[in-house]
Amino acid sequence: AQKITQTQPGMFVQEKEAVTLDCTYDTSDPSYGLFWYKQPSSGEMIFLIYQGSYDQQNATEGRYSLNFQKARKSANLVISASQLGDSAMYFCAMSGPENTGFQKLVFGTGTRLLVSP
Amino acid sequence: AAGVIQSPRHLIKEKRETATLKCYPIPRHDTVYWYQQGPGQDPQFLISFYEKMQSDKGSIPDRFSAQQFSDYHSELNMSSLELGDSALYFCASSLVREQYFGPGTRLTVT
Repeated sequence: AQKITQTQPGMFVQEKEAVTLDCTYDTSDPSYGLFWYKQPSSGEMIFLIYQGSYDQQNATEGRYSLNFQKARKSANLVISASQLGDSAMYFCAMSGPENTGFQKLVFGTGTRLLVSP
Repeated sequence: AAGVIQSPRHLIKEKRETATLKCYPIPRHDTVYWYQQGPGQDPQFLISFYEKMQSDKGSIPDRFSAQQFSDYHSELNMSSLELGDSALYFCASSLVREQYFGPGTRLTVT
């Protein structure tokens, strides 16, 4: 069974600083995908970044980067130059083997990020 | 760019009533997923469809059923509603790997 662990219930960061949100995972699948989503107070789930287990390089999308350490089974999200609009709940999630095509997401419990001026 | 559309956005029902939630995936996406997110919880997978066939099933109650139609839109039917069914219901669609979520339907059962 797949499991995602987010140990930080809440994080605080000042505007313009970088912040790292932790995520560790456990799976017996030989291949898998790792995702980060942002959920503002309005409720929608916004896709941020994806990392495949066989990808050699860490994924980056604008101010978001994923620090993927396969041996440690961690997939931390790094947000650079935080903005007030980054205040939200952040979920780490994983999907099953990449070759199946049928990939339900298993989510962690989330980390609430608060960015202060 | 087109996004996933869900309707209605808000729904209030009484116990034992039925509800139908609709999802219109991003054009050309061939897989639809349904998730349920209770208050203060992470989303839980309910069911998915690939090319109009059920592809996977999670912790979906027997009172719930879903299908995907020829135009790829999907409907989640919920009967004999219970107070515990109050939640945010998401539909997500994908083509390859990334799943894009709709805005959700907030269901309140009174």
